[in-house]
Amino acid sequence: NAGVTQTPKFQVLKTGQSMTLQCAQDMNHNSMYWYRQDPGMGLRLIYYSASEGTTDKGEVPNGYNVSRLNKREFSLRLESAAPSQTSVYFCASSEEGTGWRETQYFGPGTRLLVL
Amino acid sequence: AQSVTQPDIHITVSEGASLELRCNYSYGATPYLFWYVQSPGQGLQLLLKYFSGDTLVQGIKGFEAEFKRSQSSFNLRKPSVHWSDAAEYFCAVAPNNAGNMLTFGGGTRLMVKP
Repeated sequence: NAGVTQTPKFQVLKTGQSMTLQCAQDMNHNSMYWYRQDPGMGLRLIYYSASEGTTDKGEVPNGYNVSRLNKREFSLRLESAAPSQTSVYFCASSEEGTGWRETQYFGPGTRLLVL
Repeated sequence: AQSVTQPDIHITVSEGASLELRCNYSYGATPYLFWYVQSPGQGLQLLLKYFSGDTLVQGIKGFEAEFKRSQSSFNLRKPSVHWSDAAEYFCAVAPNNAGNMLTFGGGTRLMVKP
């Protein structure tokens, strides 16, 4: 099992460009999450999907959109990138999505630089 | 809303020495508590978690943590640190009801001297 995979590993964008970060999990998990990690601030939840077909906003959703393409895949889109979106983005998944008791399994991250 | 504070941004210990990483939380009731570790260039891995019951919880890689309600703390400990423990450690809390989000502390970066 590969677990949670993310592509790309690293990306440089110019302000105003768009891009989609891809995430896939092979653990048959129902729930998937997108976080951003900024120095000294830990991880902050952008969006999550409790189950296939549903998505909900997290703590910092502005400037992002998500798509739960199927049970395996959960993508994060930046429509018009801004320098404030320079960050490391992590995707995670958990089994049932019945609450935050569950262990979340994280991907290796995508490092994004917006110039 | 809940919050998490990790007072130490960086900690350096010698290999073989004991380790304690501090975590304080703010929440009206007893939350769910977690410690994650992030090795360089990697995603986060769960070390241990506390939901209820025994306040001393054991995790992977020889780590343990103790929940102290009176101090609103959930400190992570290891009796003897190995060079491979060098990483960033995150404490996280979640409210003890479904449908809310995990809140992470700012992290503590651990360096291990040979």
